[in-house]
Amino acid sequence: QVQFVQSGAEVRKPGASVKISCQASGYTFTSYAIHWVRQAPGRRLEWMGWIDAGNGKTGYSHKFQGRVTITRDTSASTVYLDVNSLRSEDTALYYCARDRSGRGFLDHWGHGTLVTVSS
Amino acid sequence: DIVMTQSPDSLAVSLGERATINCRSSQSILFSSNSKNYLAWYQQKPGQPPKLLISWASTRESGVPDRFSGSGSGTDFTLTISSLQAEDVAFYYCHQYFRSPQTFGQGTKVEVK
Repeated sequence: QVQFVQSGAEVRKPGASVKISCQASGYTFTSYAIHWVRQAPGRRLEWMGWIDAGNGKTGYSHKFQGRVTITRDTSASTVYLDVNSLRSEDTALYYCARDRSGRGFLDHWGHGTLVTVSS
Repeated sequence: DIVMTQSPDSLAVSLGERATINCRSSQSILFSSNSKNYLAWYQQKPGQPPKLLISWASTRESGVPDRFSGSGSGTDFTLTISSLQAEDVAFYYCHQYFRSPQTFGQGTKVEVK
């Protein structure tokens, strides 16, 4: 079955960077895109960007352009989310999710990685 | 950005009764070339990730009970739970994937009255 294993919780100080991972299994990794969506406490789900796991093409929300990088390692069936210049508002649960259709709806989600930004 | 607005923010429904959640987009998310509405609905229970219920506004995911249905077109959409069960208590989110950045509604909390 399709599964995503995300890396563990992280704590960072403001201005620092964090890189979290999402390892996929149960399907052909390179056949689907992976998206990153975050959920801050009390706020709605927020889409950050995506990567085509096959060709590595990426797309980002303009809100995060320049501060977020999504990469993948096909040999490890793993996608990474790198966020720099962290601020307190980046404290959130970060989810990876698979895009089944190639158009953007997300059919399988990881369980999330909590990133806490605090001085 | 396309703004997704759900109503109500919360609702309490008796077991076996109908629950209706509305979602409005700030611009049409109907793609005229294929006549598809680029809208999905998710269910999220505490401590769990969102679960896809419906895509293309009305296509139910495999394994989702048929008491869940989606309707609407253009800018106005509805998720209906025809007969609320205890296990349906959750937050529900609409999601437009028509235009980047993809955006979500603020969520609707469904409880048992």
